[in-house]
Amino acid sequence: AQSVTQPDIHITVSEGASLELRCNYSYGATPYLFWYVQSPGQGLQLLLKYFSGDTLVQGIKGFEAEFKRSQSSFNLRKPSVHWSDAAEYFCAVVYNNNDMRFGAGTRLTVKP
Amino acid sequence: EAGVAQSPRYKIIEKRQSVAFWCNPISGHATLYWYQQILGQGPKLLIQFQNNGVVDDSQLPKDRFSAERLKGVDSTLKIQPAKLEDSAVYLCASSLGWREEGIEQFFGPGTRLTVL
Repeated sequence: AQSVTQPDIHITVSEGASLELRCNYSYGATPYLFWYVQSPGQGLQLLLKYFSGDTLVQGIKGFEAEFKRSQSSFNLRKPSVHWSDAAEYFCAVVYNNNDMRFGAGTRLTVKP
Repeated sequence: EAGVAQSPRYKIIEKRQSVAFWCNPISGHATLYWYQQILGQGPKLLIQFQNNGVVDDSQLPKDRFSAERLKGVDSTLKIQPAKLEDSAVYLCASSLGWREEGIEQFFGPGTRLTVL
């Protein structure tokens, strides 16, 4: 079955430290890949997306993600986390018919 | 450009009552989606419209949930009667709906439903 896995439910990092959030998907072909961020009480905001081409994609707010076909992964990274990055992060994939599937999310806490 | 609008933002009802949510997508977006997001989980697609036709409603509990997009623009999602397990945030999203440029979905702020 098609699925999206975010192995880390909750991650805590210190402000200024680097961040990597993991995402794995299961599908035969390469799907379209997305990372969204959701702050409390807000809708989802797109951070970045991968359709094809360069496997390292840059997004907003200093985030980047790397698509690794061999590992079926699309991990999100940021070199230096800011306190305002505290939020819930969702990885999502689009399969047929624009059917978007989301992971369960990773909650990021930033320590001062 | 105006984003996806949803109302109300919050709703509290008793179980077995009815409730309706409204969504106005971004102008020109052909595809509209309703998602249910239970606390601690990712959004789950309930129904997808392409213009005013249903593309996918396989995960919509049709015994109590209904949705319509009569003129291919705004949409309503109804729950009748509500159950305790329907407590969630209901997100509406829209997309252009064709080719790669149309795959990206834009989300509204959501409606938080509490069923007591």
